[in-house]
Amino acid sequence: QVHLVESGGGVVQPGGSLRLSCAASGFIFSGYDLHWVRQAPGKGLEWVAFIRYDGSSKYYADSVKGRFTISRDNSKNTLYLQMNSLRAEDTAVYFCAKRGGSYSWDYWGQGTLVTVSS
Amino acid sequence: EIVMTQSPAILSVSPGERATLSCRASQSVSNNLAWYQQKPGQAPRLLIYDTSTRATGIPARFSGSGSGTEFTLTISSLQSEDFAVYYCQQYNNWPPWTFGQGTKVEIK
Repeated sequence: QVHLVESGGGVVQPGGSLRLSCAASGFIFSGYDLHWVRQAPGKGLEWVAFIRYDGSSKYYADSVKGRFTISRDNSKNTLYLQMNSLRAEDTAVYFCAKRGGSYSWDYWGQGTLVTVSS
Repeated sequence: EIVMTQSPAILSVSPGERATLSCRASQSVSNNLAWYQQKPGQAPRLLIYDTSTRATGIPARFSGSGSGTEFTLTISSLQSEDFAVYYCQQYNNWPPWTFGQGTKVEIK
């Protein structure tokens, strides 16, 4: 059974940093592309970042480019999102999601809340 | 960037009735479109991918159709557990991967 469990969220001041983790189990982690997606309170879904199964390609939303870094450790079955220079508008629940057989996303974690506030 | 537009924003339906949700893409996404269901406090769940293929464990009352720029999610007979927000997503032209703004299906 596939499980994705995010952690690392919390309250941080504007300009601060946070690192999110997504621990995976139940599938061959090193064989799948992964994404970070976020959802601001009461809003819709916004794709944040992508990493290829082997880490060879990474893409970012314009809203986070230059501030966020996605990475993965296939030996630990864990996905990361390093978030620097955080802004109030980065306040959201952050989900990790796994690419399925097509390019849709077949499994999601339960999310971790990041609040950027002074 | 492909913009996805969903309509209506809110759909009021009685249990047992049919619900039809629409999703329009600003340019063709071929059949590379998915639908997700999200309930309050939960993660999104994949319902439909490749426009019309139900994901594992999804009941047959959910169906998807369309191609190019116009897509539809149909729930043939709404059950109590189907009241939720539904998002369409394109994965034809990326990055970025883009979602519609969501349709909330509420009890009439």
